[in-house]
Amino acid sequence: EAGVAQSPRYKIIEKRQSVAFWCNPISGHATLYWYQQILGQGPKLLIQFQNNGVVDDSQLPKDRFSAERLKGVDSTLKIQPAKLEDSAVYLCASSLVRVNSPLHFGNGTRLTVT
Amino acid sequence: QKEVEQDPGPLSVPEGAIVSLNCTYSNSAFQYFMWYRQYSRKGPELLMYTYSSGNKEDGRFTAQVDKSSKYISLFIRDSQPSDSATYLCAVTDSWGKLQFGAGTQVVVTP
Repeated sequence: EAGVAQSPRYKIIEKRQSVAFWCNPISGHATLYWYQQILGQGPKLLIQFQNNGVVDDSQLPKDRFSAERLKGVDSTLKIQPAKLEDSAVYLCASSLVRVNSPLHFGNGTRLTVT
Repeated sequence: QKEVEQDPGPLSVPEGAIVSLNCTYSNSAFQYFMWYRQYSRKGPELLMYTYSSGNKEDGRFTAQVDKSSKYISLFIRDSQPSDSATYLCAVTDSWGKLQFGAGTQVVVTP
């Protein structure tokens, strides 16, 4: 089974620029998550989708972050404008719909904002 | 106060030793307990998953949950250099919302 695919692997931008990350989940996984992992910390949930709909975006900084999941498959996460504190690894994960179904993570996009 | 507390380490052990990792959590509503392993520059991967208090064993790995103390542990027997990674504990409530600890970095030296 192919894993969760993310691109790009690395991105360096200047503050106030915009950036977008892409995720392709495991086939058949209706639930998709975006996590932010700052160096030395555990992953923090930004947004959870089930199919096309948003289940939880309570920790998404909506003034600068946006995410979409068109057609219930691929997803993009955008930051505009970026701040220095957005430097982190952005992890995408997917799972089956069943509650507490294990999450499968991609290898993340490492963002550096200078 | 964070909902899940975990000592960040690093924890350095010689090859063959037992690795002991711990987490505490604050909310008694948490029902499911997991350990994820994260290699450098990789995403976390699920290692162990348990629901009830007690021990669960899988090969060299044993997960232990004490709900009365809100304490979860992971033990790695006969540690190998390939076990060098960051170990993240995670808990969820009945809605499935995952809360991660900060992770403990483990280094197993040959």
